[in-house]
Amino acid sequence: DQQVKQNSPSLSVQEGRISILNCDYTNSMFDYFLWYKKYPAEGPTFLISISSIKDKNEDGRFTVFLNKSAKHLSLHIVPSQPGDSAVYFCAAIGLGGATNKLIFGTGTLLAVQP
Amino acid sequence: GAGVSQSPSNKVTEKGKDVELRCDPISGHTALYWYRQSLGQGLEFLIYFQGNSAPDKSGLPSDRFSAERTGGSVSTLTIQRTQQEDSAVYLCASSQTRGGTEAFFGQGTRLTVV
Repeated sequence: DQQVKQNSPSLSVQEGRISILNCDYTNSMFDYFLWYKKYPAEGPTFLISISSIKDKNEDGRFTVFLNKSAKHLSLHIVPSQPGDSAVYFCAAIGLGGATNKLIFGTGTLLAVQP
Repeated sequence: GAGVSQSPSNKVTEKGKDVELRCDPISGHTALYWYRQSLGQGLEFLIYFQGNSAPDKSGLPSDRFSAERTGGSVSTLTIQRTQQEDSAVYLCASSQTRGGTEAFFGQGTRLTVV
């Protein structure tokens, strides 16, 4: 069963507009969430994270929102730039049992059109 | 080294042969992960090492897959009797702790079974 889900395999956005990438999770034991960015032929690189005790974390153009009651998080990129075009993975980790390791979603391919 | 190092970067092998993939994590990182990304797929968890604890092998797809981590540092992922469906990019990541800090990925090993 997929504990971390990214239901949109792809997203296309115009340069300068906002990109919103979504992620849902099923296990309430997750207590830390991360977003990674991956370019072709490279390993994923860390982008931004959020603890379950917060509902928002902002870093420059990137903001992550967490809605615990809905088991949903989103990554907002504004303004979007062509260099942001990549696959974005959300990931979650928790304290024990099946959640004590980083579990990734299936990824969303973001294309920012110039 | 400054980052996670994986070798080889590319490996082509004949069906039925055994392969070994190596990962050198960031010095001092206690957690080490192996993931697999098949063509068009997300990051599939394989195995997780955390300090001296028994590894979490729950993601290994079959008993042809095994991994070791010697001295709490270098890790080797071994695939015996390779099959064509084993073709994928194998990614290693390490982190300082279980969570609260991000995991850093290597560039991956692209395995092709012919």
